[in-house]
Amino acid sequence: AQSVTQLGSHVSVSEGALVLLRCNYSSSVPPYLFWYVQYPNQGLQLLLKYTSAATLVKGINGFEAEFKKSETSFHLTKPSAHMSDAAEYFCAVSDLVTGRRALTFGSGTRLQVQP
Amino acid sequence: DTAVSQTPKYLVTQMGNDKSIKCEQNLGHDTMYWYKQDSKKFLKIMFSYNNKELIINETVPNRFSPKSPDKAHLNLHINSLELGDSAVYFCASSPGLAGPTDTQYFGPGTRLTVL
Repeated sequence: AQSVTQLGSHVSVSEGALVLLRCNYSSSVPPYLFWYVQYPNQGLQLLLKYTSAATLVKGINGFEAEFKKSETSFHLTKPSAHMSDAAEYFCAVSDLVTGRRALTFGSGTRLQVQP
Repeated sequence: DTAVSQTPKYLVTQMGNDKSIKCEQNLGHDTMYWYKQDSKKFLKIMFSYNNKELIINETVPNRFSPKSPDKAHLNLHINSLELGDSAVYFCASSPGLAGPTDTQYFGPGTRLTVL
């Protein structure tokens, strides 16, 4: 079964600093990967997704992620953190082995942005 | 003009009661989902429907019964509520054309508290 692991349940950065949220995947086939953001008391919103086109994927709000097959990683980055980026971030994988239409989520990373 | 809406947003009830959560999407999507987010923010798929047909039914107690009267609606009925059912329940929808690579659009969530 395909799965994702998010390293670091909490990440704290200063406003203006680089944001790096880590996600590693486990899959027997090339995966389709997603990053979602959840603001407090809200639903999840898609930031970006990798679907085997370009390995560097640009998303909304200045975020991007790079698919690295050799490292089985799909880390999320943003060059300069903003206070409004404080939220919970989820990496997810879509099941291409069975074609099942459901996402398997990582455990989430809470991003704190300090002034 | 909310894309995926859920009612109610908050639900507080006693153990043993029966309750329903409603979900509606106005995106014209074919596939709808129910996810459960526990107190540790872990998200897990419960059910998925495609064109009113159940396609995913995870290991969920049979006290949970989804119903899709049409492809724009997916309701979740829960019988004999237990303390462990306390969670946030998210409805989501996706176009259904690309299957596992579709973007899923999430509702705002329903926070269920069982006392």
